[in-house]
Amino acid sequence: EVQLVESGGGLIQPGESLRLSCRASGFAVSSHYMSWVRQIPGKGLEWVSVFYSGGGIFYADSVKGRFTISRDTSKNTVSLQMYDLRAEDTAVYYCARPTALGHFDLWGQGTLVVVS
Amino acid sequence: DIQMTQSPSTLSASVGDRVTITCRTRQIISNLLAWYQQKPGEAPKVLIYRASTLQTGVPPRFSGSGSGTEFTLTISSLQPEDFATYYCQQYYSYSYTFGQGTKLEMK
Repeated sequence: EVQLVESGGGLIQPGESLRLSCRASGFAVSSHYMSWVRQIPGKGLEWVSVFYSGGGIFYADSVKGRFTISRDTSKNTVSLQMYDLRAEDTAVYYCARPTALGHFDLWGQGTLVVVS
Repeated sequence: DIQMTQSPSTLSASVGDRVTITCRTRQIISNLLAWYQQKPGEAPKVLIYRASTLQTGVPPRFSGSGSGTEFTLTISSLQPEDFATYYCQQYYSYSYTFGQGTKLEMK
C-alpha cells in the first residue's frame, strides 16, 4: 500500500529542537519529491519545505535557517529537523508528496508538535 | 511569494445545491493550481489539479476552472459527505501557497 507515516511529534519547550520522521511505503522517496506541510489546529495549511528528487531543497521563509529537511533512501524516510522552536511552530505537521504538476497527491496522517 | 485570496471563508448550503468557491491571486500564475477537501481530523485530499483536472476517484460533481488570476471550484449538486473545508493551492518557483480555506457548512 502506498502511504506515508509520520512520527516524532510531542510537547517541547520554546528554544528546543525536535526531529520529525516520515516513513514511505509502496514507493521510493528517492524517485519522488517529498515535502512537509503544517496546520495550526483549527487554522489553514502552510507549506514548510520540499526535497526534490534531484536534490534541490527549499523552505518557507517562516522556517528558513531553523528547519532542515533530509532524506534517507536506505530507510525510505524523509525527516524534518526543527531547531529553536517557537510557540508559533505549534501545528500538526504533515508529510506530503508533491507532484511535478505542483499538487500534493499523497499525505500522511500528521503528527502534532506543541511548543509550550 | 504569491498571495492567494480564497472566498468565501464560510459557505452555508443545502444538499442538492450548486456551490462555487473562488481563489484569486494578485499576479497571473500558471494553471498549476489545485483544490483540496479536508474533513475534521483528517489530512487534506486532492480533488482537482492543474486547475481543471479531476483526480482519479473523485466524483464528477466536482469541477475546477479558471486561469490567470481567478480560479473556481464548483460542486454541482452537494451531497452530505461534501460538507468540509476546501483549500486552493498553487505552485510557483519552488514554493507552494495555500488559500485560507472555505468551510462549507450545512444550512
